[in-house]
Amino acid sequence: AQSVTQPDIHITVSEGASLELRCNYSYGATPYLFWYVQSPGQGLQLLLKYFSGDTLVQGIKGFEAEFKRSQSSFNLRKPSVHWSDAAEYFCAVGARRSASKIIFGSGTRLSIRP
Amino acid sequence: DAGVTQSPTHLIKTRGQQVTLRCSPKSGHDTVSWYQQALGQGPQFIFQYYEEEERQRGNFPDRFSGHQFPNYSSELNVNALLLGDSALYLCASSGRDREYLDTQYFGPGTRLTVL
Repeated sequence: AQSVTQPDIHITVSEGASLELRCNYSYGATPYLFWYVQSPGQGLQLLLKYFSGDTLVQGIKGFEAEFKRSQSSFNLRKPSVHWSDAAEYFCAVGARRSASKIIFGSGTRLSIRP
Repeated sequence: DAGVTQSPTHLIKTRGQQVTLRCSPKSGHDTVSWYQQALGQGPQFIFQYYEEEERQRGNFPDRFSGHQFPNYSSELNVNALLLGDSALYLCASSGRDREYLDTQYFGPGTRLTVL
């Protein structure tokens, strides 16, 4: 079955500290992988995506993620968080074909300690 | 370039009523997908429309139906509303964008409350 697991429900980090949000997926074929961010009461904004090629992908707002096929993981990282990064983060997986449905994880809520 | 727009922003209905939510895709996109996001959960796929036809469907009952118009905009209809239908409904559009092939872009959502 296709699924995405985000094992951390809530993470708190200090402003300026590094961040890593975990994501593991289960998918029958090579997937498309995404990270989206959602601020309170807002829609989803795409941070970055992996389709193929270099397994380390760069996104907006200083985020990056690394695709590790052997571990079925796609963890999100940022070297130094800002208070404005406080939000809900969703990892998602889609099929390698035109505009297919996306399967989302349950999300990780990030809080920033001043 | 306008992104994905949805209307209304908020909606309050009572059990048993019917509701229609609307979505206009990003310019140049021809595919619209709908998702339901319950409080504290990730979005769940409802269905997807392409060329005015339902192309894929998730595990949602027939009370959930949709439509896509020739201008690619879309509607989501929910009949016989239940308390459990209270959620944020998200619309996403996608298309053959040269750089971001098949990436789905989301609108701000419609918050539906069923009393």
